[in-house]
Amino acid sequence: EVQLVESGGGLVQPGGSLRLSCAASGFTFSSYWMHWVRQAPGKGLVWVSRINSDGSSTSYADSVKGRFTISRDNAKNTLYLQMNSLRAEDTAVYYCASSALGSYLDYWGQGTLVTVSS
Amino acid sequence: QLVLTQSPSASASLGASVKLTCTLSSGHSSYAIAWHQQQPEKGPRYLMKLNSDGSHSKGDGIPDRFSGSSSGAERYLTISSLQSEDEADYYCQTWGTGNVVFGGGTKLTVL
Repeated sequence: EVQLVESGGGLVQPGGSLRLSCAASGFTFSSYWMHWVRQAPGKGLVWVSRINSDGSSTSYADSVKGRFTISRDNAKNTLYLQMNSLRAEDTAVYYCASSALGSYLDYWGQGTLVTVSS
Repeated sequence: QLVLTQSPSASASLGASVKLTCTLSSGHSSYAIAWHQQQPEKGPRYLMKLNSDGSHSKGDGIPDRFSGSSSGAERYLTISSLQSEDEADYYCQTWGTGNVVFGGGTKLTVL
């Protein structure tokens, strides 16, 4: 059974940092591209970032470019999102998801809540 | 610019059918999309990938009540024999070079 389990969310002050993790199991993690998607309270899904299967290529939404860094450790079957210079508008539930070659997202985690507030 | 447009809301009666629409922006009518379901207070769930010719492949355990079709720049999700648990938000999603795009979502109410 495919499982994606996010962790690392919490309350952080504006300008602060947080690192999210996504532990993967039940599939060959190293063969899949991975994504972070977020959802602000009461709003829709917004794509944040993606990384290819070996970690050599990354891409970001304009709203997080230069502040967030996606990475992965294929030996640990884990995806990360380092979030720096956090703003109130970054408040959201953050989901990790897998995809074949960066196309359709086929498995999702349950999400972790990040709240940016003083 | 690659954009997906969805109606904000839809409703249908228990046991009936409903057809949700996702429209691709101009110049992108050949793109495939995916449909995702998000039940209240839950994470999203992949339903199916839908190609421009209407062929589709569903995710694990997705019932036959869910089907997809295409016409030009429009992509459809049809849910038949509506059940109470189908009340959810439905998102379409596509992908470009280096990015992923979501539609704004349609909130489906089962009456």
